[in-house]
Amino acid sequence: GAVVSQHPSRVICKSGTSVKIECRSLDFQATTMFWYRQFPKQSLMLMATSNEGSKATYEQGVEKDKFLINHASLTLSTLTVTSAHPEDSSFYICSASRETDTQYFGPGTRLTVL
Amino acid sequence: DQQVKQNSPSLSVQEGRISILNCDYTNSMFDYFLWYKKYPAEGPTFLISISSIKDKNEDGRFTVFLNKSAKHLSLHIVPSQPGDSAVYFCAASRETSGSRLTFGEGTQLTVNP
Repeated sequence: GAVVSQHPSRVICKSGTSVKIECRSLDFQATTMFWYRQFPKQSLMLMATSNEGSKATYEQGVEKDKFLINHASLTLSTLTVTSAHPEDSSFYICSASRETDTQYFGPGTRLTVL
Repeated sequence: DQQVKQNSPSLSVQEGRISILNCDYTNSMFDYFLWYKKYPAEGPTFLISISSIKDKNEDGRFTVFLNKSAKHLSLHIVPSQPGDSAVYFCAASRETSGSRLTFGEGTQLTVNP
């Protein structure tokens, strides 16, 4: 149990376009979902925390208007990178957790902005 | 401000031997610690965790030790297997549920046959 999926696994887009990444908890209801990004050979950096039906809480330095997070249901959260630029190229990973449970991570999405 | 640090970017051990991965933290408010394993182009997989009220937690070949006074934890893998080769991240949280994790930089473990 505790499987989290992400779609797409890889996306290449042109600078200025928007990209949506989906995160789904397949076999459990996730009260909280998290979005991370990871640059090569670096740690996972938490971007934001989202609870179903409420606004996401963003970490310091993360632009909420650029990284739009929607947590529409207990099994789905989306991250939209708006007006993407090459510096947004990164590995984006989501995780999901139940009430008092650890986080289960998705497989990640490799975003490349040309 | 890197609150969780893994000072060894890489570690190489022989199959069958013990692997010891280390992690230090600076925030004394952290009270829940986790280890994750990550393969390239995949998300981290939870391995083992420990609460600050304990100093040791064991699960099969994996044992995590916590030294609160030194703000140090370590993951022991014994015996090491080639399939253990991956990047290992330690993470810390201020809440027992493990929410809002702060990750270390990761250590690449290579287990040689």
